[in-house]
Amino acid sequence: TQLLEQSPQFLSIQEGENLTVYCNSSSVFSSLQWYRQEPGEGPVLLVTVVTGGEVKKLKRLTFQFGDARKDSSLHITAAQPGDTGLYLCAGLTGGYQKVTFGTGTKLQVIP
Amino acid sequence: DAGITQSPRYKITETGRQVTLMCHQTWSHSYMFWYRQDLGHGLRLIYYSAAADITDKGEVPDGYVVSRSKTENFPLTLESATRSQTSVYFCASSDPPTGYSNQPQHFGDGTRLSIL
Repeated sequence: TQLLEQSPQFLSIQEGENLTVYCNSSSVFSSLQWYRQEPGEGPVLLVTVVTGGEVKKLKRLTFQFGDARKDSSLHITAAQPGDTGLYLCAGLTGGYQKVTFGTGTKLQVIP
Repeated sequence: DAGITQSPRYKITETGRQVTLMCHQTWSHSYMFWYRQDLGHGLRLIYYSAAADITDKGEVPDGYVVSRSKTENFPLTLESATRSQTSVYFCASSDPPTGYSNQPQHFGDGTRLSIL
């Protein structure tokens, strides 16, 4: 069974602060996705990274896929209350649609 | 509007009872998935389906049954509910992978199931 560990599990920060969420595995994935989930809703895809070392930016969010394709990070600059939610990483094996989800990071941004 | 709908949104039942969670999607996605979400475990795959009449087990299939007679529907049945199956259940759908490129999954809003 492939496992994806996220850290930290919980994070509470003030508006304007920066933060980084980590997603680590001992398994290699062909691509990795990040989702955000708000209370009472299903996860929504933010980004997919497919190449080792790849960096993608989505406004104030920066996603990086590790060189060995075993880990990823999400960095948020100048966090805003609208960033509050559960962040999930998800590892994929090429050619298959089965996804292994990480354990999740619950982020709270306090105004 | 195209989308994925889960019903019911909330369900309370007793141990030993059979309960079916419904999932309907209007995108004509070939793939559909059922997950359960529990604190500390993230989302765990129960069953998935690559097309009508094709289903396969995920990580935690015991105690669950699925069927896919039509592309748009993917019901999940707990044949004899147990307290350990209390959870939030999410259905998702996606297009098939293209080569080694995976497609995003689109999730419903979940069914919160409590088993007393």
